[in-house]
Amino acid sequence: EDQVTQSPEALRLQEGESSSLNCSYTVSGLRGLFWYRQDPGKGPEFLFTLYSAGEEKEKERLKATLTKKESFLHITAPKPEDSATYLCAVLGGTSGSRLTFGEGTQLTVNP
Amino acid sequence: GAGVSQTPSNKVTEKGKYVELRCDPISGHTALYWYRQSLGQGPEFLIYFQGTGAADDSGLPNDRFFAVRPEGSVSTLKIQRTERGDSAVYLCASSLAGGPYEQYFGPGTRLTVT
Repeated sequence: EDQVTQSPEALRLQEGESSSLNCSYTVSGLRGLFWYRQDPGKGPEFLFTLYSAGEEKEKERLKATLTKKESFLHITAPKPEDSATYLCAVLGGTSGSRLTFGEGTQLTVNP
Repeated sequence: GAGVSQTPSNKVTEKGKYVELRCDPISGHTALYWYRQSLGQGPEFLIYFQGTGAADDSGLPNDRFFAVRPEGSVSTLKIQRTERGDSAVYLCASSLAGGPYEQYFGPGTRLTVT
């Protein structure tokens, strides 16, 4: 059974204070690791897909990296509008097309 | 282009009633998914359609839950004899095809069973 654990549960940063969110996973044959952003009252918004260890992807102030056991979402010089819940999900080799999500990290960036 | 749309955005129903939730996927996406999200939790998989057929319904919690996608586009999630424990946000997502493609989510339907 695929498992995803995200840490920390909540993170408060000052504007401009860089940090990282962690996503640890257990899966049989990773076919993809996905990062989403979710604002209150809205559906998850797709950010990145990573397919193999060593892969990195960037978008504005966000950078996602992947190892064989975990993924990091690095946030550089965050702004208040980056405040949201960040969700990590995996697609395993035995899970068909269903994503298994972690519980998310709630990020608050104070001005 | 238009994203995934879901109606209604909110639904309040009494325990024991029947409800239908609708999802309109992104045009051209053959795969459609339903997830359920409780407060403070990540989405949990319910069912996956490839075209008109349910390719994986292993996440449906019991036989009160049923979903259809008769023409391979719009899908309806149906819940019979609703229970208070069914209260959650029901999310629909679509992707180009099944497998390791990005799944794009709709805004969700918040279901409250009183």
